[in-house]
Amino acid sequence: DTGVSQDPRHKITKRGQNVTFRCDPISEHNRLYWYRQTLGQGPEFLTYFQNEAQLEKSRLLSDRFSAERPKGSFSTLEIQRTEQGDSAMYLCASSLGGLAGLTEQFFGPGTRLTVL
Amino acid sequence: GQSLEQPSEVTAVEGAIVQINCTYQTSGFYGLSWYQQHDGGAPTFLSYNALDGLEETGRFSSFLSRSDSYGYLLLQELQMKDSASYFCAVKGDDKIIFGKGTRLHILP
Repeated sequence: DTGVSQDPRHKITKRGQNVTFRCDPISEHNRLYWYRQTLGQGPEFLTYFQNEAQLEKSRLLSDRFSAERPKGSFSTLEIQRTEQGDSAMYLCASSLGGLAGLTEQFFGPGTRLTVL
Repeated sequence: GQSLEQPSEVTAVEGAIVQINCTYQTSGFYGLSWYQQHDGGAPTFLSYNALDGLEETGRFSSFLSRSDSYGYLLLQELQMKDSASYFCAVKGDDKIIFGKGTRLHILP
């Protein structure tokens, strides 16, 4: 048990609908990351927060994706007007930060999104 | 652009040693990490190298050469439970990137 939780674990939606996922990181971790992973691929970086500030966002992330971490604790990832290509596992991870380096990240179990 | 390359599959025998290589191309470099992921599970952290050299943690070791933009993960005394996918990941100026993963098959 890594301590990072994600909700829901599975989400099935119809194309064009909006979905929102929640991530609760390990409480003392100030960094929070969102990734997307498809079968046979490595995690694809989407965005990351240090406390409540969104410091980096992948250029691959379209305007349909938005993430928030309003109080520097939990985070939400929203996908608007879902497309079938959005079907994937959405992973959240947290870590202690402070340096520019790639510190140890603890991953949650993921939310599996299926867009019909 | 930024990229990572690692072999897609490696096969080894239980009890043996296996090395998984990773070469990277990034704008800026802030460290290389290795993660293990079992089927249906989340990635779990194995090691992190920011400086050149070898880091050892039990049966697993990781090496980095920044001048060669190269690293490897060394797994010793292989056990069947080590059958999994292994990802290298680097942090550049722009973002974190993970490799596509190396599927490790272990034969009894």
